[in-house]
Amino acid sequence: NAGVTQTPKFQVLKTGQSMTLQCAQDMNHNSMYWYRQDPGMGLRLIYYSASEGTTDKGEVPNGYNVSRLNKREFSLRLESAAPSQTSVYFCASSEAGSPSNQPQHFGDGTRLSIL
Amino acid sequence: KQEVTQIPAALSVPEGENLVLNCSFTDSAIYNLQWFRQDPGKGLTSLLLIQSSQREQTSGRLNASLDKSSGRSTLYIAASQPGDSATYLCAGPHSGGSYIPTFGRGTSLIVHP
Repeated sequence: NAGVTQTPKFQVLKTGQSMTLQCAQDMNHNSMYWYRQDPGMGLRLIYYSASEGTTDKGEVPNGYNVSRLNKREFSLRLESAAPSQTSVYFCASSEAGSPSNQPQHFGDGTRLSIL
Repeated sequence: KQEVTQIPAALSVPEGENLVLNCSFTDSAIYNLQWFRQDPGKGLTSLLLIQSSQREQTSGRLNASLDKSSGRSTLYIAASQPGDSATYLCAGPHSGGSYIPTFGRGTSLIVHP
């Protein structure tokens, strides 16, 4: 079972470059999320999508854009990467609801370094 | 704003011990609390979700309790095994009815044979 698939797994960017992180789930879930995980900071929600066509800001949305392309796919875009965006990015999904009230299924992450 | 603290930050125990991991939160108006497991280089795995109307949840050797009045949740692991080695995280809503979760920094557990 694939579950939540993230691509790429690793990426190095230069400051100012743009990039899109891809996420797809095969569990027919309605809700999808993007988090970042930094040492000493814990996971923080970047954006969340309760259904196709809807997105909401999380705790740290600045510098990011998202697209809920269809029910399966939720992408995260960095328009002009900054060193402060160096992090591990996780995509997650749940059957419905919000990230605070439903069990979530996580991908294995994208490790992004910005020089 | 919710603050979630996990103690201890790291724990190393011999196989077979019963363990208690602690999670404390500052905003007692939470409506649920979740426990997750994270293996090195992997994403999180949801273990237990406790609704505010419940006092505890159980799954196999895991039992999680929630005491809103004291601002605490505990994860009890019975008869620990080396396969339980991982980082355990708890998360509660950012504040009151917020949909944004606040995660603790985790407890890194090593169970040695």
